[in-house]
Formats: sequence, structure tokens, C-alpha cells
Amino acid sequence: KAGVTQTPRYLIKTRGQQVTLSCSPISGHRSVSWYQQTPGQGLQFLFEYFSETQRNKGNFPGRFSGRQFSNSRSEMNVSTLELGDSALYLCASSLVAGMGTGELFFGEGSRLTVL
Amino acid sequence: AQKVTQAQTEISVVEKEDVTLDCVYETRDTTYYLFWYKQPPSGELVFLIRRNSFDEQNEISGRYSWNFQKSTSSFNFTITASQVVDSAVYFCALMNTGNQFYFGTGTSLTVIP
Repeated sequence: KAGVTQTPRYLIKTRGQQVTLSCSPISGHRSVSWYQQTPGQGLQFLFEYFSETQRNKGNFPGRFSGRQFSNSRSEMNVSTLELGDSALYLCASSLVAGMGTGELFFGEGSRLTVL
Repeated sequence: AQKVTQAQTEISVVEKEDVTLDCVYETRDTTYYLFWYKQPPSGELVFLIRRNSFDEQNEISGRYSWNFQKSTSSFNFTITASQVVDSAVYFCALMNTGNQFYFGTGTSLTVIP
């Protein structure tokens, strides 16, 4: 069973640019959530999608957005990049959304560097 | 407000020693879930355990054990007879009724051969 696949694994952008990251969940999983991991802030929840609908959103500015397609693949977009957006962006999938499922399966992440 | 605190940023132990990773959480919810995840150098987080707020039974899985104490809002993780392969960053997390995860900042464990 293939795991969660994130692309690209590494990318370098400059301030002001925008970036799109992709996540393919485990086959059959309908929930996809995104997290930002930085040394200073740790892992922070960005948003969660289930059946193409955003169910939850963390405390991030509107420059961070996402979407989910009918095949459960998800993309997140960051516009007008800032230096502080440099981070490892992790995607996680789960079979269903909701309380207690908790068994998130994570991808290896997309490491974004903003220069 | 929800918060998870892992006060230990880095821990180093010699192989075969026991090590306990601390986790303290804050939540006003009466129903919540607590988790531990392991992040090896490859980056992906690996699920270790889930515990709901109504189940304070301690759990043992091989060399791993978890101690959940609601009275102190703690969910500590002990590795017995540590091995080099245990070297990783370990995250404690809280999931509340809003279905959001709140992660601690992680504890980096290095097991020295």
C-alpha cells in the first residue's frame, strides 16, 4: 500500500513568489491535513480537507490556502512568500475525519526555502 | 486554549539506558485524545499511540510504555533499554473536540552506542 506522497520534496523560492505543494493521500483515505514545521514553532496545523471541503483551519494568514480534488489529492498554496515561510510542510491523510481517528499517516514533507 | 508542552528539547542517553519523555497538556475540553508520534530523519511522522481522555490506563508495547495522568495533565513516554534506532524526534499531540491537532515542539532523542 503506497504511503502519502508529497511533491516536490525540496524547493527554493524567493520572497514575493508563490508556491504550490501537492499531496497524494493513501488510497482510500478521504481526509488530508497540512502542517507547517519550523524549528521555532514546531508543528502547526494549517488546514484539513475532507471530501473536497475544508473542515478546519489553523491560525495562518490568508496567504496560505488549499484545496482538495475529487480523488482526495490535495494542494496547498502560499502566495507572496516571506522569509518566515521557510519550513517543512507535512501532509497527513486518514481514512475518515473526526474525533478520535487520530491515526494520521504522514508524508515525508516538502522542504521550502525562501531566499 | 489548547497547548502541549514538551520541556525537554534534546536528550542524549547511552544505549540500553531507560529514558522518559515528558508531555504536559492544557485543554478545557473534557473529551480529547492524546498521541505520540516519532519523526525519524527521513521526515515523516510515525504514529505510536492514541489515548482518549477517559482511559487513564497505562499502556506497554514492547520497550515502549506510556503513563497518562489527568490529575497532572501529563502523558509521559518511556523507552526501556533504548537502542540506537530509537534516535528521532518525538512529538506529543492533543486532538480536541474541534478535531484539530496541537503538537508539542518535540524532543530530540539521541541514543549513543
